[in-house]
Amino acid sequence: NAGVTQTPKFRVLKTGQSMTLLCAQDMNHEYMYWYRQDPGMGLRLIHYSVGEGTTAKGEVPDGYNVSRLKKQNFLLGLESAAPSQTSVYFCASSSLELHNQPQHFGDGTRLSIL
Amino acid sequence: GQQVMQIPQYQHVQEGEDFTTYCNSSTTLSNIQWYKQRPGGHPVFLIQLVKSGEVKKQKRLTFQFGEAKKNSSLHITATQTTDVGTYFCAGAVNNAGNMLTFGGGTRLMVKP
Repeated sequence: NAGVTQTPKFRVLKTGQSMTLLCAQDMNHEYMYWYRQDPGMGLRLIHYSVGEGTTAKGEVPDGYNVSRLKKQNFLLGLESAAPSQTSVYFCASSSLELHNQPQHFGDGTRLSIL
Repeated sequence: GQQVMQIPQYQHVQEGEDFTTYCNSSTTLSNIQWYKQRPGGHPVFLIQLVKSGEVKKQKRLTFQFGEAKKNSSLHITATQTTDVGTYFCAGAVNNAGNMLTFGGGTRLMVKP
């Protein structure tokens, strides 16, 4: 099993450009998440999904959109990239169980906006 | 909203010394999880604590959950160079989606 796979691993964008980050998981998890990680600030939740076809806003959703058309995929879109969105983006997934389950993370996407 | 604070932000230790990181939540938690992130890597789940006052051990690592379920700590005995990384606590309240609020992390550096 590959677990959680993120593509691309690195990307440089110019201000105003758009792009989509792809997350795929092969663990049949119901829940998926997108985080951004900035130095000294830990991981902040951007958007999350509790199942196919559903999405919800996290702590820092502005400037991002998401879609979960298939259970195994969770896409993060930047419509008009801004330098403040330079960050490392992590996707994670977890299973639907009675108590909180561990989140499994991908390797991350390092995104620079010039 | 819920906030999770973690101290210290950085810790340098000599190999063999002990290390502790502390985590405090602004709200009562249903459970707390701990993750480790190696330099250049991604967070990896270490453990989950659910019960008030719970203590769990993993070899040289000891995890505690406070009686009020608002604080937690991770203690490493006799650090090794393999312990290098950033340790995050992540608090959960009863919510749909298993959402976690992460602390800012403690970066551990170990001098050989």
